[in-house]
Amino acid sequence: DQQVKQNSPSLSVQEGRISILNCDYTNSMFDYFLWYKKYPAEGPTFLISISSIKDKNEDGRFTVFLNKSAKHLSLHIVPSQPGDSAVYFCAASAIYSGAGSYQLTFGKGTKLSVIP
Amino acid sequence: GAGVSQTPSNKVTEKGKYVELRCDPISGHTALYWYRQSLGQGPEFLIYFQGTGAADDSGLPNDRFFAVRPEGSVSTLKIQRTERGDSAVYLCASSFSTNVNTGELFFGEGSRLTVL
Repeated sequence: DQQVKQNSPSLSVQEGRISILNCDYTNSMFDYFLWYKKYPAEGPTFLISISSIKDKNEDGRFTVFLNKSAKHLSLHIVPSQPGDSAVYFCAASAIYSGAGSYQLTFGKGTKLSVIP
Repeated sequence: GAGVSQTPSNKVTEKGKYVELRCDPISGHTALYWYRQSLGQGPEFLIYFQGTGAADDSGLPNDRFFAVRPEGSVSTLKIQRTERGDSAVYLCASSFSTNVNTGELFFGEGSRLTVL
């Protein structure tokens, strides 16, 4: 049973346009969400995170939006650049509930291709 | 280098054999994690160490899997009587204790295990 779902295995976007990657979760205990980026033959690298007490967090070209009622979050990349081409993983944990807060539950990932 | 180092990068073994995978975390990181990524899936939590002790091993799939971190630095993941289903990329990550609750982990490149 997938608790974190990324329903789009892949996404292609033109350079300079916006990339929107989506993620849904089912576990109500999750209260902290992260996005990781992974290049081939490398480990995932932390990109951005958001706590459930917020609905938006921005870091440069990257913005994460959280809709708690819909159990949905999205990552916006504006403007998209060819170097953003990678697999993006959505991850969730249960920090405030104290239930294994160090355990990250990952989605299957979305492969983003930014076309020059 | 200054990152998380994992060896071997690739390991091919036969069903039933014993395997050890090594992780050298970033210097100063007291928290260490093992995740497993099967083909087409996101990383799945296996075990978390805080210092020398396994604070949570609830993700280990069965008793064929065991991990140690005797001196609070290098960790070894041990798999006995390997099965074909154990084939995956085994990812190690480390973090400062203060980041345990934020999920901002530093991952290594992984050890790809193939069981024939």
